[in-house]
Amino acid sequence: DAGVIQSPRHEVTEMGQEVTLRCKPISGHDYLFWYRQTMMRGLELLIYFNNNVPIDDSGMPEDRFSAKMPNASFSTLKIQPSEPRDSAVYFCASSLAGLAGPYEQYFGPGTRLTVT
Amino acid sequence: SQQGEEDPQALSIQEGENATMNCSYKTSINNLQWYRQNSGRGLVHLILIRSNEREKHSGRLRVTLDTSKKSSSLLITASRAADTASYFCATERSEKLVFGKGTKLTVNP
Repeated sequence: DAGVIQSPRHEVTEMGQEVTLRCKPISGHDYLFWYRQTMMRGLELLIYFNNNVPIDDSGMPEDRFSAKMPNASFSTLKIQPSEPRDSAVYFCASSLAGLAGPYEQYFGPGTRLTVT
Repeated sequence: SQQGEEDPQALSIQEGENATMNCSYKTSINNLQWYRQNSGRGLVHLILIRSNEREKHSGRLRVTLDTSKKSSSLLITASRAADTASYFCATERSEKLVFGKGTKLTVNP
C-alpha cells in the first residue's frame, strides 16, 4: 500500500486566497483525521470522520475552515479566506476501527502551508 | 488543550546509550500511544499500550504505563543515530488522540 497520500506537499499563498488540501487515506481504513501542527500549539486535531461521516469538528478553529469526505478514498480541507496565522503543517491520518475505537493512526507526509 | 505532556522537552545522548522519555496526562484513557516524527515527515506509530496493561515491549522499545500516577515512559535501549527524532505520546479517549508537544531526541554518533 502507498500509505496516506497528501497533496500538495507545499503551498504558498497570499492572504485572502482559498486553499484546498487533499488527502487519500489507506484503502479500507474507517477513520480519517485532519491535524494541524505548529511550534506554538503542537499537534491539534481539527476534525475526524468515521465511514465518511464527520464525527467531531470541535477543533476547527473558525468558519473559514471546512472539511469534506465525499467518499472513502478522498477528503479535502479548505480554508477560505486564508490568513497568515493559518501557516502550519497540516496532516491527514487514517486508521482502522477496533473494538473500542480506532487503532493506531497512519499519518501522511503533511502539507506545509505558508500564507503571506 | 494538551492531554499528554512529555518530559524532557529535549534530550541529547551518545550512540549506544539508553534514552528515557516520560509522559504525564490528566484524565482517564482507553489507551496510550507513542509516535515518532523525523524532521519534515509525518508521525509514525511506535507502540500502543492499553489502560489495563502495565508494560509492553517492541524490539528496542519498552513502554510502561502507570494509570494510578497517570504517567507513561518510553525507553529506547542501545540508541542509534537513526533514532534522532521527536517522540510524542498520545492519549486516546472517545476515539480521539490528544498529543503532547513531544521530546526532541538527538543521538550523537
